[in-house]
Amino acid sequence: EDQVTQSPEALRLQEGESSSLNCSYTVSGLRGLFWYRQDPGKGPEFLFTLYSAGEEKEKERLKATLTKKESFLHITAPKPEDSATYLCAVLTQGGSEKLVFGKGTKLTVNP
Amino acid sequence: DGGITQSPKYLFRKEGQNVTLSCEQNLNHDAMYWYRQDPGQGLRLIYYSQIVNDFQKGDIAEGYSVSREKKESFPLTVTSAQKNPTAFYLCASKYRGTGQETQYFGPGTRLLVL
Repeated sequence: EDQVTQSPEALRLQEGESSSLNCSYTVSGLRGLFWYRQDPGKGPEFLFTLYSAGEEKEKERLKATLTKKESFLHITAPKPEDSATYLCAVLTQGGSEKLVFGKGTKLTVNP
Repeated sequence: DGGITQSPKYLFRKEGQNVTLSCEQNLNHDAMYWYRQDPGQGLRLIYYSQIVNDFQKGDIAEGYSVSREKKESFPLTVTSAQKNPTAFYLCASKYRGTGQETQYFGPGTRLLVL
């Protein structure tokens, strides 16, 4: 069974304190790994799609990386407005159109 | 503005009542999806449609129904058979281009039971 596990469940940082969120996955074949940001009461906002091991993508203070077993979302010098829940999801090969989601990491950045 | 709209933002259901959640997109995407989000759980797929007049069950389809009569619209009906409907419902559509694909989400509808 395809599984996605995110850690930690919650993370508190001080403004400017860099850190990483982890997404480990067990799938039969990876077609893509997705990162989303979700604010309370809102729909997820797309951040990145990664397709193969070694791939990296950046957007402002965020950088996503991918290996054969996990992905990291690195947050450099975070600001309070980066506070949100970050979701990871995988799309598997074999014709399935289902995104398998992790439970998310709730990030709080204190000023 | 291109995007996905969901309505209403909040919906209240009485016991035994069927309710319909609206999802519209003007992104010209072929595929559309409905997910359910509960506290402490990952998003779970209810139904998806890859083309007009065709749709498939996801992991938790029991108690729900959908239709896809137009490319832009994918409404979800929560029937009285769904015994625990209180949740946040998210509609998504998928962009698939050369070597890349992404699902984009709407703002969500929160369903509450009276």
